[in-house]
Amino acid sequence: GAGVSQSPSNKVTEKGKDVELRCDPISGHTALYWYRQSLGQGLEFLIYFQGNSAPDKSGLPSDRFSAERTGGSVSTLTIQRTQQEDSAVYLCASSMGGERSTEAFFGQGTRLTVV
Amino acid sequence: AQKVTQAQTEISVVEKEDVTLDCVYETRDTTYYLFWYKQPPSGELVFLIRRNSFDEQNEISGRYSWNFQKSTSSFNFTITASQVVDSAVYFCALGRIGGATNKLIFGTGTLLAVQP
Repeated sequence: GAGVSQSPSNKVTEKGKDVELRCDPISGHTALYWYRQSLGQGLEFLIYFQGNSAPDKSGLPSDRFSAERTGGSVSTLTIQRTQQEDSAVYLCASSMGGERSTEAFFGQGTRLTVV
Repeated sequence: AQKVTQAQTEISVVEKEDVTLDCVYETRDTTYYLFWYKQPPSGELVFLIRRNSFDEQNEISGRYSWNFQKSTSSFNFTITASQVVDSAVYFCALGRIGGATNKLIFGTGTLLAVQP
């Protein structure tokens, strides 16, 4: 597709349930980032994938959060045993990485509400 | 530590006024990138500019201009003759050069409301 695609656009889940958020990056972009935007907050870095390298997971807030990127393209962010404080907009971004690094292009995000 | 401060939480102006959005950053890196992103009500972040710390020359793009002052660690953004379509949240961000360039430290954003 032309841009970064995220699904679902909205997700309401019950506390304690697991959720999966999907990101389709721009074709050819080797770098993929997940961010979280909580109400009234700036964006908080969660995780970074670059090609086949080990991901940078330094921003994941707890071990309930995990992400994978299959085949160097689509990425899934999984939140286990969701808590109310996980409610936020989860944004995915992709860019050309390495020596040809460009600015990141963001998707429209998944709004997660934990009730 | 790396930090980006956008002290202005909300700004309201009337159409055609000029407005400046402030951004102050902290970093121990000697080289780095600075970014501005726009987030309209649709929620998608729109890239506006990326500047590297080597280049302090100010930049103008249409009604937008940026003033990078390394001495004061500031990267302010001015919109000239504002329009209603400029209404959005604007984020300033700091990133490293090379590697995870877009692993960004964001400010908390400034909500700009342009009234007709």
